[in-house]
Amino acid sequence: DIQMTQSPSSLSASVGDRVTITCRASQGIRNDLGWYQQEPGKAPKRLIFSASTLQSGVPSRFSGSGSGTEFTLTISSLQPEDFATYYCLQHNSYPRTFGQGTKVEIK
Amino acid sequence: EVQLVESGGGLVKPGGSLRLSCAASGFTFSDYTMNWVRQAPGKGLQWVSSIDSTSTYIYYADSLKGRFTISRDNAKNSVYLQVNSLRAEDTAVYFCAEGDSYGMYYWGQGTLVTVSS
Repeated sequence: DIQMTQSPSSLSASVGDRVTITCRASQGIRNDLGWYQQEPGKAPKRLIFSASTLQSGVPSRFSGSGSGTEFTLTISSLQPEDFATYYCLQHNSYPRTFGQGTKVEIK
Repeated sequence: EVQLVESGGGLVKPGGSLRLSCAASGFTFSDYTMNWVRQAPGKGLQWVSSIDSTSTYIYYADSLKGRFTISRDNAKNSVYLQVNSLRAEDTAVYFCAEGDSYGMYYWGQGTLVTVSS
């Protein structure tokens, strides 16, 4: 099974800050990775697919990079509506696996 | 507009069973893999199970095999999750999600399963 190690588990940041979240896969998954945002009490929303492709309608301040085993989600300038929990998900093979999540909180 | 609406959750005693349902609309249901994902209170997302468009390929999380059964009815645009021998640790919101080539795009709002005596 592929393990996804996501870091950090939480971070505090201010509006306007640049934020970076990392996921590491236990084995190579090409670019079969997505990033999801979840607000409290809501369903997850996909932001990025294929590691670096922005989902339609998602603001351009979100970007993804990486391939193989190392992946990054970057928010270039944090906005108030971005305070949420973020997850990576690998869809390279079954069982599907999520990262543990990163909670982005207001500093 | 795509909609996924889960139902069937509730309070159940340990050892009990439930059948969760997810009704889909707004897309060609029979073309897509469907997934169940759960989230325990205050915890992260856990993939539970997937079923391909023709029910040929079915996958489960190792820890849930034998107690959970996924199925679908393309004529009714619905996917189901039969959950048996429920334990306290199965308490979670259960989401269904449409699976495209890049993971999971459309999600329902979830149905809460609470296992407690």
